Amino acid sequence: EDQVTQSPEALRLQEGESSSLNCSYTVSGLRGLFWYRQDPGKGPEFLFTLYSAGEEKEKERLKATLTKKESFLHITAPKPEDSATYLCAVQPLYNFNKFYFGSGTKLNVKP
Amino acid sequence: DVKVTQSSRYLVKRTGEKVFLECVQDMDHENMFWYRQDPGLGLRLIYFSYDVKMKEKGDIPEGYSVSREKKERFSLILESASTNQTSMYLCASTSGGFDEQYFGPGTRLTVT
Repeated sequence: EDQVTQSPEALRLQEGESSSLNCSYTVSGLRGLFWYRQDPGKGPEFLFTLYSAGEEKEKERLKATLTKKESFLHITAPKPEDSATYLCAVQPLYNFNKFYFGSGTKLNVKP
Repeated sequence: DVKVTQSSRYLVKRTGEKVFLECVQDMDHENMFWYRQDPGLGLRLIYFSYDVKMKEKGDIPEGYSVSREKKERFSLILESASTNQTSMYLCASTSGGFDEQYFGPGTRLTVT
């Protein structure tokens, strides 16, 4: 069964304390893995797409990496404005009409 | 900037009512999507559309239908609202498949 699991559910960091969020997936072939950020009361905002193992993407303090079974979102020296819920999603390779989101990691960065 | 707008931020309806949720995008995107978001379950795909008058079922289409008469507008219809359809509903659009989806602000629907 296709599945996306994110951990931890919630993460509290001090400003400047780097950490990583995990997204593990089980699909029969991966077409793409996607990271989104969601602020309270808003729709998700696209961050990255990763297509193959070994691929990395960066944006400001965020860096996403991909292996054959999981993806990590590394946050370097986070700031309070990085506080949000981070969602990952996968699209299976052999069924283009399917798209699965994880339940998210809620990040709180304290000043 | 791509803009996706949804007709209401908050909506309260009674059980059995027919409910229409409207979504409009202004970037001439081909593809549009409807999701619902529930705590602990994440976003789940209800329906999507690759073109005008075309629709595809997502993972949880039961109890819902959709309409796309114009390229920029995608409507979600709850034929007979039930309390288990109380949720946050999110609309999205893209220029290519599921990649880089632009989301609206969401409609929080409560069915009493």
